Amino acid sequence: QKEVEQDPGPLSVPEGAIVSLNCTYSNSAFQYFMWYRQYSRKGPELLMYTYSSGNKEDGRFTAQVDKSSKYISLFIRDSQPSDSATYLCAMTKGSYIPTFGRGTSLIVHP
Amino acid sequence: KAGVTQTPRYLIKTRGQQVTLSCSPISGHRSVSWYQQTPGQGLQFLFEYFSETQRNKGNFPGRFSGRQFSNSRSEMNVSTLELGDSALYLCASNLQGHEAFFGQGTRLTVV
Repeated sequence: QKEVEQDPGPLSVPEGAIVSLNCTYSNSAFQYFMWYRQYSRKGPELLMYTYSSGNKEDGRFTAQVDKSSKYISLFIRDSQPSDSATYLCAMTKGSYIPTFGRGTSLIVHP
Repeated sequence: KAGVTQTPRYLIKTRGQQVTLSCSPISGHRSVSWYQQTPGQGLQFLFEYFSETQRNKGNFPGRFSGRQFSNSRSEMNVSTLELGDSALYLCASNLQGHEAFFGQGTRLTVV
């Protein structure tokens, strides 16, 4: 079992939908959580990062962490076709080397 | 502020050859990490350099090596290339926190 599990999708939604992307993890030593967006043929781009349990909002994006359930989520409101990409969760323990999920492919169709 | 720059963007090599990839981190960032990304395995950590020293290493064979120069630029070398080395190789730089900033990657194809 991988330390970080993420459904690869693809997840296909209509424009304007609320998107929920999720990761689970097995090691409670993970303390710092990040979401990256990766467009085709590009490097991952850091979207959001958070340390504590709870919600963190940035524009249309909300990151949610539930350490007791070892579960993190990224919500995208009013999704746009330009949000179509692969979304990777990542998390770190004591070192700064993140462990990545496999990524979820999101398709937002007009 | 310039981002992480990787060169070249694309490479085609033959089995058995060796290859060197280059990464220039964001100015001021002293940590540089390398990752291999494939559809089957996702993003896998290769190694991390900080102030010219390898600080962390992933589970890759010794054919994969790297180094970092005094200006924080880094190179990654793969010797005796195998077909399975075909991947997107990503470099990330880090200031002093958990957030890594990635370059565009080098797409290596081994034929």
